[in-house]
Amino acid sequence: DVKVTQSSRYLVKRTGEKVFLECVQDMDHENMFWYRQDPGLGLRLIYFSYDVKMKEKGDIPEGYSVSREKKERFSLILESASTNQTSMYLCASSLTGGNDSPLHFGNGTRLTVT
Amino acid sequence: TQLLEQSPQFLSIQEGENLTVYCNSSSVFSSLQWYRQEPGEGPVLLVTVVTGGEVKKLKRLTFQFGDARKDSSLHITAAQPGDTGLYLCAGGFKTIFGAGTRLFVKA
Repeated sequence: DVKVTQSSRYLVKRTGEKVFLECVQDMDHENMFWYRQDPGLGLRLIYFSYDVKMKEKGDIPEGYSVSREKKERFSLILESASTNQTSMYLCASSLTGGNDSPLHFGNGTRLTVT
Repeated sequence: TQLLEQSPQFLSIQEGENLTVYCNSSSVFSSLQWYRQEPGEGPVLLVTVVTGGEVKKLKRLTFQFGDARKDSSLHITAAQPGDTGLYLCAGGFKTIFGAGTRLFVKA
């Protein structure tokens, strides 16, 4: 069974801090994704990666960056956290980009920026 | 830009009732996926529909993909408290998600 592990369930950070959210998958998946989830807005894609060192912007990349140095690990970086980045962050992976390749999600990191 | 609109946003029903939730778009999708998310967990895939007009059944859940591949529906028969959760439809190259339908089934 695919396991996607996010390093923290809850994080509280101060405005202006640099924040790292880590995600690891154990099934050699090609694609990895970072979403944020806010009430009434659903899941919005921040960035995704289809290979090591490759990344593509999603719908809301502003204020975020990502790093994928190894296939199994995809990091989301908030360069200077702001209160509007308080949200639930979900990492996902998929084997390929095809129709039959579902996303497997981690349990999320709830980030609060004060 | 592809968008997925889900309705209703919230649904609170009694155990045993039937319900349908909808996922609509003005864009054509090659496939749509339905996920269910429970509190404190990430979404979990329920089904992928690929062919226009396709109907898939998963126990008491029936999923339909519109003929034009622009919409989909999820019908639950005889809902149970264990069906409570957030139901999300998703699709597209970047796997965009709708805002979801939050379902509460009261015992």
